[in-house]
Amino acid sequence: TQLLEQSPQFLSIQEGENLTVYCNSSSVFSSLQWYRQEPGEGPVLLVTVVTGGEVKKLKRLTFQFGDARKDSSLHITAAQPGDTGLYLCAGARGGATNKLIFGTGTLLAVQP
Amino acid sequence: DAGITQSPRYKITETGRQVTLMCHQTWSHSYMFWYRQDLGHGLRLIYYSAAADITDKGEVPDGYVVSRSKTENFPLTLESATRSQTSVYFCASKPEGSGQETQYFGPGTRLLVL
Repeated sequence: TQLLEQSPQFLSIQEGENLTVYCNSSSVFSSLQWYRQEPGEGPVLLVTVVTGGEVKKLKRLTFQFGDARKDSSLHITAAQPGDTGLYLCAGARGGATNKLIFGTGTLLAVQP
Repeated sequence: DAGITQSPRYKITETGRQVTLMCHQTWSHSYMFWYRQDLGHGLRLIYYSAAADITDKGEVPDGYVVSRSKTENFPLTLESATRSQTSVYFCASKPEGSGQETQYFGPGTRLLVL
C-alpha cells in the first residue's frame, strides 16, 4: 500500500523557471525526508523536516512540512540543469528503526 | 573508498535460479535495509536488520531471504527468481541513535530475470 503520493510524476521545464513538487499522505509521520536520485545512483538525502509547519531552505530549494505532519512540498527557484533528477519524499515512522515509507517520485528534467 | 557498496551492479538471470545480491558497508552502521525500486512504486522495503543476527520483514518480503552474520554485510537472496523480481535493488544503512534518521544508499543492483 502506497501511503505517500507525489505530484507531478514527471516535470519538464526550462532553465530559470520555478517549480513545486508535492508529497501527500493521509498518515502522520514523525519526520519527512527529501532525497534526490541521479541516474545510475542511489538516493541522497537533501533535507529532513521534523516539526509541523517547518520550513527549511537549501540554496534555491525550499522544503515545507505541513502543519499536521501529513504532507510536504519542495519548491525550486530558478531551476538549473543540475537540478535534473528523481526527487523522492520519504515519511519516517519513528521508533528505533525509523523505517521510511517512500513516495512514488517526481522525475524532473530542466532543459538548458 | 569507505562507504556502502553493492555487487554485482548488473545481473541477468533466468526464472527459477537462485541469485544473491551483496551489500557491504564500512561505517559499522547498526541498521541495514534492502529496497526494490520499480516505476510507479518508488522504493519499497523488502527486509531490514537492526544488528547482526537480527532481521525483520518489510513491505514486500515474499520470495526473498536475508542474513546478517556480520555487521558490515547484508546479502539478499532470491531463492527462485521470478520475472516479477526484475527490478533495481538498493541497499542502505543507518547508524543507531536518536536523531540518526539519514539512510545512506548504495549505487544499486540492476537485476533482469528472463
